[in-house]
Amino acid sequence: GAGVSQSPSNKVTEKGKDVELRCDPISGHTALYWYRQSLGQGLEFLIYFQGNSAPDKSGLPSDRFSAERTGGSVSTLTIQRTQQEDSAVYLCASSLVTGLNTEAFFGQGTRLTVV
Amino acid sequence: GENVEQHPSTLSVQEGDSAVIKCTYSDSASNYFPWYKQELGKRPQLIIDIRSNVGEKKDQRIAVTLNKTAKHFSLHITETQPEDSAVYFCAASSTGTASKLTFGTGTRLQVTL
Repeated sequence: GAGVSQSPSNKVTEKGKDVELRCDPISGHTALYWYRQSLGQGLEFLIYFQGNSAPDKSGLPSDRFSAERTGGSVSTLTIQRTQQEDSAVYLCASSLVTGLNTEAFFGQGTRLTVV
Repeated sequence: GENVEQHPSTLSVQEGDSAVIKCTYSDSASNYFPWYKQELGKRPQLIIDIRSNVGEKKDQRIAVTLNKTAKHFSLHITETQPEDSAVYFCAASSTGTASKLTFGTGTRLQVTL
């Protein structure tokens, strides 16, 4: 497809389990973001990948959270030993970064529920 | 790093009135300022953006103004309609190693009949 794709759309997991969330950015986009959005809240920045640079991990809330971006394309956000407070919508976005910044396109999100 | 503040957090206007949302940023190197609209249950989508070489940009009922000296920018919606009800996010970024988009905390706009 032409847009940012995230999978799964919904994920229900038991407390203490690990989860992996996937993001397929728009082809050719060098920048990729992960955000977390709790119900009715704003966009909480988690991590930013830009080309071959070291990722900006300053938003990861704890060491249970990690993310990879393989081959400059697909990204996986992993949450280990999930807690109930991890329940939220996880949004991925990508953009083409050149001399002029351009629009970031968001995926539809993964709704994570930890029970 | 960049810090973007946005206010108000909630805004209620009557249909037909104007709405103004304001953002300030901290990094004087920032040169790109997009605005996103997020309708209930949907993903954020770009509605308008402005670059630092212009002071104002309009697109039908939506306009954005930028004051680089004061480091603030605003979204103006005129003749508001019920379908304008949504959460609006401002953002700022620079180029090169500072190209990360930093978002404001969002404004929930409610347009009442």
